[in-house]
Amino acid sequence: DGGITQSPKYLFRKEGQNVTLSCEQNLNHDAMYWYRQDPGQGLRLIYYSQIVNDFQKGDIAEGYSVSREKKESFPLTVTSAQKNPTAFYLCATGPYQPQHFGDGTRLSIL
Amino acid sequence: SQQGEEDPQALSIQEGENATMNCSYKTSINNLQWYRQNSGRGLVHLILIRSNEREKHSGRLRVTLDTSKKSSSLLITASRAADTASYFCATGLFSGGYNKLIFGAGTRLAVHP
Repeated sequence: DGGITQSPKYLFRKEGQNVTLSCEQNLNHDAMYWYRQDPGQGLRLIYYSQIVNDFQKGDIAEGYSVSREKKESFPLTVTSAQKNPTAFYLCATGPYQPQHFGDGTRLSIL
Repeated sequence: SQQGEEDPQALSIQEGENATMNCSYKTSINNLQWYRQNSGRGLVHLILIRSNEREKHSGRLRVTLDTSKKSSSLLITASRAADTASYFCATGLFSGGYNKLIFGAGTRLAVHP
């Protein structure tokens, strides 16, 4: 079954803790993206990667980090530097533009 | 401010009625896409319309694009309760060295049985 798998579905972060959100795809897409969605708002781009071992900052990259060691995987780490991490995080892939989305991870602060 | 802005913010209709959502944007685009998001879920791609196209259909969906007015509309005909969701427009443009997709804040559609 082709698609994008995000895990976990829900995640809680303690103060000063880094947490990592997983995104795996089997669509064979080169480009992968991480978006943040706050209540009642659209999506804002955090990071994107157009090819393995390469990634670029989006509009709101501060407090986040990513890696792209494999085509299938694009994990996002929310670091302790991100002071307002509570949001819905969505991973997307596409051949040249975001087109397919995962079901998201909801991150909350403990 | 956001590139794409949807109007209305919320829409409530009865089953069988048509629903129209509008999207306005500010800069030149390569394409415009519409997505649906059910509560707590990811986005589902509905339609992509290129900048040289004026109208596109997919099932009960009809999308128009007016580049002179920098606006698009999504029409859902004969709505069903299952159409209840948030709908987002996203403008596609090449900026900063990559194909960017900029989302509006969405229209929340409620279809009542």
